[in-house]
Amino acid sequence: GQQVMQIPQYQHVQEGEDFTTYCNSSTTLSNIQWYKQRPGGHPVFLIQLVKSGEVKKQKRLTFQFGEAKKNSSLHITATQTTDVGTYFCAAPGYSSASKIIFGSGTRLSIRP
Amino acid sequence: GAVVSQHPSRVICKSGTSVKIECRSLDFQATTMFWYRQFPKKSLMLMATSNEGSKATYEQGVEKDKFLINHASLTLSTLTVTSAHPEDSSFYICSAARQNYGYTFGSGTRLTVV
Repeated sequence: GQQVMQIPQYQHVQEGEDFTTYCNSSTTLSNIQWYKQRPGGHPVFLIQLVKSGEVKKQKRLTFQFGEAKKNSSLHITATQTTDVGTYFCAAPGYSSASKIIFGSGTRLSIRP
Repeated sequence: GAVVSQHPSRVICKSGTSVKIECRSLDFQATTMFWYRQFPKKSLMLMATSNEGSKATYEQGVEKDKFLINHASLTLSTLTVTSAHPEDSSFYICSAARQNYGYTFGSGTRLTVV
């Protein structure tokens, strides 16, 4: 079935260090979305990228969509303890663009 | 904003009983809602797409007679886990899409079958 691969699976960093998670698809995507899920919580929409090569920033978070629209990344500068959680990318499904398929997620933990 | 309310947040039931989970879009109409299942420390797995006024579309491997979905109005979708067994214990989350808000998720239901 359709898969959106995400790496790394886990990342443990010292507070203040940077963090990056990568998302890859074997097919060209019309768009890609990023979500954050805090421990015990539900996914919260962060952003959607649509254009080839698009870069968007939200404070310390930088989101990129690859030129070929097959990969994306989320970079957090100077992590804080509030950044703890699992970050998922998500892409439209093959059979129906109205549904989204989630990547495997990257779980970020931080040492104070 | 786009708010999706899911109820109950937690439920414990006996094996063999059925459990109904509700998902409501509070400030917008959702002709389509989605039901996901999430195992501990795993990603969200799409179970089915709930369509208002018509049958739900189930993903491959998901038993439609086991997980009954009803989308009777533009603001309410329900998922009923029938004849629940311990292996059905999981975190179930619904979502709905709204333009400019991405997919908004309910707070999830943690089901424990004993």
